[in-house]
Amino acid sequence: GESVGLHLPTLSVQEGDNSIINCAYSNSASDYFIWYKQESGKGPQFIIDIRSNMDKRQGQRVTVLLNKTVKHLSLQIAATQPGDSAVYFCAEKGSSASKIIFGSGTRLSIRP
Amino acid sequence: NAGVTQTPKFQVLKTGQSMTLQCAQDMNHEYMSWYRQDPGMGLRLIHYSVGAGITDQGEVPNGYNVSRSTTEDFPLRLLSAAPSQTSVYFCASSPQGPSGQETQYFGPGTRLLVL
Repeated sequence: GESVGLHLPTLSVQEGDNSIINCAYSNSASDYFIWYKQESGKGPQFIIDIRSNMDKRQGQRVTVLLNKTVKHLSLQIAATQPGDSAVYFCAEKGSSASKIIFGSGTRLSIRP
Repeated sequence: NAGVTQTPKFQVLKTGQSMTLQCAQDMNHEYMSWYRQDPGMGLRLIHYSVGAGITDQGEVPNGYNVSRSTTEDFPLRLLSAAPSQTSVYFCASSPQGPSGQETQYFGPGTRLLVL
């Protein structure tokens, strides 16, 4: 049978449009969340982070939204560019834990 | 600063062989970790360390050992390589402290093939 996780979900976006990438987390004790971007053949690169006492944080062209009620995290990229093509991962850290755990990724594909 | 460096970049092993993946950082970071990434999947935490002399297990520690004798170095040892350990291995580090900055900096990865 098909193995879960072998194929990353893909989001296809028109160049110039906004992208929204979603992530669900399971640990209600997590208090710190991070979004990473991974380009082909490279290690993950930090994009933006947010602590659980916030519900929104903005960076340059990126915004992270946190909904603790439904344990949902999203990354919004404004005016998506070809250079934004990559796999995006969310990660979480619990308040009593020292380890950072990655969630499943989403491949962002840009249409010209 | 060189950041996080990993050696080797590529390695082919036969089943049963042992080897050490090297990781070093020159940013004086306390926290270091090892992840593996299988094709088309996310990163899974193998082992991590919150400081010299302290290590702990992550999500998938079996078949791997680590040590942290210095702040700079965090080697990952494969005791007896198995084909299931074919993967890309990433080392990461981050500062700890009252500032709360916890951004992880990743190395370029080591691609391991076990035959």
